[in-house]
Amino acid sequence: DADVTQTPRNRITKTGKRIMLECSQTKGHDRMYWYRQDPGLGLRLIYYSFDVKDINKGEISDGYSVSRQAQAKFSLSLESAIPNQTALYFCATSDGGPPRSEQYFGPGTRLTVT
Amino acid sequence: QQQVKQSPQSLIVQKGGISIINCAYENTAFDYFPWYQQFPGKGPALLIAIRPDVSEKKEGRFTISFNKSAKQFSLHIMDSQPGDSATYFCAAFPSMDSNYQLIWGAGTKLIIKP
Repeated sequence: DADVTQTPRNRITKTGKRIMLECSQTKGHDRMYWYRQDPGLGLRLIYYSFDVKDINKGEISDGYSVSRQAQAKFSLSLESAIPNQTALYFCATSDGGPPRSEQYFGPGTRLTVT
Repeated sequence: QQQVKQSPQSLIVQKGGISIINCAYENTAFDYFPWYQQFPGKGPALLIAIRPDVSEKKEGRFTISFNKSAKQFSLHIMDSQPGDSATYFCAAFPSMDSNYQLIWGAGTKLIIKP
């Protein structure tokens, strides 16, 4: 079984709809991240969490919110989706050791906002 | 905004050739430089990483070369194979950043022609 799972894998939604992307991990890591990937822009950090009570904004948090329900679960919400939020979204984890530790990514969610 | 500039955006190499991807950074406080490899439909995965106290690190056919004075680092793939076709991301870790977040390059799509 995959260590980092994301649901759904693909989603098409309409402008103005609320949508939630979910991430679960079995690696036992404390740190979890949400990124979006756009062609030519690489990976941009949306939110990150160092533990259940510690949630921080990343580079592009406007229009997004997150919830860390447990050590293993980290959800990303788009309160009112807009077309420029069409992208590939990745969840990642890393352990609570040195901050330079490897990040483990989920398989991604392809989101299309029409 | 701290940046890591990656080039080229795309690269086509014949099987057996050498693939070279370059990255440049501005912040001299970066102290960890990983490369991630992403296959279509998958999340990125750590390929190889280097610290600035060494000028080169080799793992199999993959080599990172690091030039601290020029603030540049590059990935060389020797004897490139069709299975190496993927998107490659360089990244840098700012040691003095209390948020401990990777700064990502924009990615290079590598295609190895049989």
